[in-house]
Amino acid sequence: AQSVTQPDIHITVSEGASLELRCNYSYGATPYLFWYVQSPGQGLQLLLKYFSGDTLVQGIKGFEAEFKRSQSSFNLRKPSVHWSDAAEYFCAVVKGGNKLTFGTGTQLKVEL
Amino acid sequence: GAGVSQSPRYKVAKRGQDVALRCDPISGHVSLFWYQQALGQGPEFLTYFQNEAQLDKSGLPSDRFFAERPEGSVSTLKIQRTQQEDSAVYLCASSLEGGLVYDEQFFGPGTRLTVL
Repeated sequence: AQSVTQPDIHITVSEGASLELRCNYSYGATPYLFWYVQSPGQGLQLLLKYFSGDTLVQGIKGFEAEFKRSQSSFNLRKPSVHWSDAAEYFCAVVKGGNKLTFGTGTQLKVEL
Repeated sequence: GAGVSQSPRYKVAKRGQDVALRCDPISGHVSLFWYQQALGQGPEFLTYFQNEAQLDKSGLPSDRFFAERPEGSVSTLKIQRTQQEDSAVYLCASSLEGGLVYDEQFFGPGTRLTVL
């Protein structure tokens, strides 16, 4: 069954530092992969998605992610983190039609 | 109101009570999804509608859970005889088209249900 694993439950970075959040997937074919962000009291917001083509995808808010089939990974990156990026981040894969299967999330804390 | 709205935002129920959670999707969106997010977990799929048709209810955890979307717009998730394990945030999402994997799902803020 398709699934995603986010190995880091919590990550703390300093404002201005670079960020990489890990996501590993298990799927037999080309997966459809997503990154969402959830801020307190807010709905989940789509940051970016990968379906096919260029393995480096650009998203909103300066985020990007790279699909690496050889490593079964879809890690999220940002060159310079802002304090407003503190939130919970979820990797997801489409499973059966268009329903999403989410990872357990990574809570990002940004130190000023 | 351009986004998905949900009401109530918070609900406290005594064990055994019935609850009804409402979702107002973005106007014109064909698809509507319900997800359940337990504390410290990612959202888990419950059910999916395309217009008024419930095409997938494979994620509903028991027959105490029931969802409807009678006119193809507003949806209600009903939980009968609530149990403590039903405590979670219930998220609603809508998307413009039906059944397209690349169609973005827009999420509401959720309803936090606490069962005492």
